[in-house]
Amino acid sequence: AQSVSQHNHHVILSEAASLELGCNYSYGGTVNLFWYVQYPGQHLQLLLKYFSGDPLVKGIKGFEAEFIKSKFSFNLRKPSVQWSDTAEYFCAAGNAGGTSYGKLTFGQGTILTVHP
Amino acid sequence: GAGVSQSPRYKVTKRGQDVALRCDPISGHVSLYWYRQALGQGPEFLTYFNYEAQQDKSGLPNDRFSAERPEGSISTLTIQRTEQRDSAMYRCASRPSLFSKTGGRNEQFFGPGTRLTVL
Repeated sequence: AQSVSQHNHHVILSEAASLELGCNYSYGGTVNLFWYVQYPGQHLQLLLKYFSGDPLVKGIKGFEAEFIKSKFSFNLRKPSVQWSDTAEYFCAAGNAGGTSYGKLTFGQGTILTVHP
Repeated sequence: GAGVSQSPRYKVTKRGQDVALRCDPISGHVSLYWYRQALGQGPEFLTYFNYEAQQDKSGLPNDRFSAERPEGSISTLTIQRTEQRDSAMYRCASRPSLFSKTGGRNEQFFGPGTRLTVL
């Protein structure tokens, strides 16, 4: 069965600290990987995505993620977080082909709280 | 419109009533997805459409749930005889054609969601 697991439910950091949110997936076939973010009161927005090629992908707002195929991981990183990064972060995996192309499986989410 | 819109944003209903949730995708987007998100969980796939054709409804929990997209644009998710366990955030997302110039290959754009509460 397809599944996505996020390591931490709630992460609390101070501004300027480094961030790494873990994500592991279990998926048959070719997979596309995503990180979405939901800021308070807003809807889900795409942070970054991986389809193929360079396993280190860069997204908006200084976020990046590394796809490590051997570990089935797609961890999200940011060298220095800001108060405005306070949000809930979701890792997701999607079918890269077949009749259910695009169907996303999400992790349970990680709430990030950044203190000024 | 500029983004995906959903209505109503909040719906409170009594157990046993039917509800209809509406999704208006980004103009021109060919694919439309419905997800359900329980509190403290990530979104869970329900069903999706390419144009007006329902491609996959494997995530619909039971036959009280149905969805349609008759003209390949607006979609309605209907829940009949609602139960308290149906309470959740219902999210809609749309995706452009894979062959469009702006197509972000599998990037889905989400609406604000409908918060359903069944009393």
